[in-house]
Amino acid sequence: DAGVTQSPTHLIKTRGQQVTLRCSPKSGHDTVSWYQQALGQGPQFIFQYYEEEERQRGNFPDRFSGHQFPNYSSELNVNALLLGDSALYLCASRKGLAADRNEQFFGPGTRLTVL
Amino acid sequence: AQSVTQLGSHVSVSEGALVLLRCNYSSSVPPYLFWYVQYPNQGLQLLLKYTSAATLVKGINGFEAEFKKSETSFHLTKPSAHMSDAAEYFCAVSVTYNTDKLIFGTGTRLQVFP
Repeated sequence: DAGVTQSPTHLIKTRGQQVTLRCSPKSGHDTVSWYQQALGQGPQFIFQYYEEEERQRGNFPDRFSGHQFPNYSSELNVNALLLGDSALYLCASRKGLAADRNEQFFGPGTRLTVL
Repeated sequence: AQSVTQLGSHVSVSEGALVLLRCNYSSSVPPYLFWYVQYPNQGLQLLLKYTSAATLVKGINGFEAEFKKSETSFHLTKPSAHMSDAAEYFCAVSVTYNTDKLIFGTGTRLQVFP
């Protein structure tokens, strides 16, 4: 059973560019959340998708947007990249919205470097 | 506002020694507390969680944590370290249990020496 998978593993972009990161949830999971983990920091919650809608959002600007597809996979888009967007981007999936009943599983992340 | 402070960005222990990773929280309401582990090139894995039931919480891989309201602490311990415990450990807090919107600490890197 494949766990949460993310692509690409590493990505290098320049300031002002746009980037799309992809996530496939663990089999049987339908809720996807995205986190940003800057170097030396803990992860920060970006947003959560369920039934193709954004359900919760953290303190991130509108440059960060997402999408969930009918097969539950998800994309994270970041526009107008800044140097400060350099980070490990983690995707996590769970079954349903009830965080108190079902644990979320994390993928290995995509390392984004903005030059 | 909720916050978490992890004391010590790096902790080194010998194999077989006690592991103690410190976490203090700040919350205006009774918090829900979590410990996660992150191995190199992997995502986070939940070790254990406190949800206002028993104050001593047992997790996976022999880890446990004790919620102490008077000290606003939720320190993670393991009686005997194993080489495979070497990883980054994160403490996190939430004001509600039913959310993925957690506030994480900055992490503690645990090194285990033979």
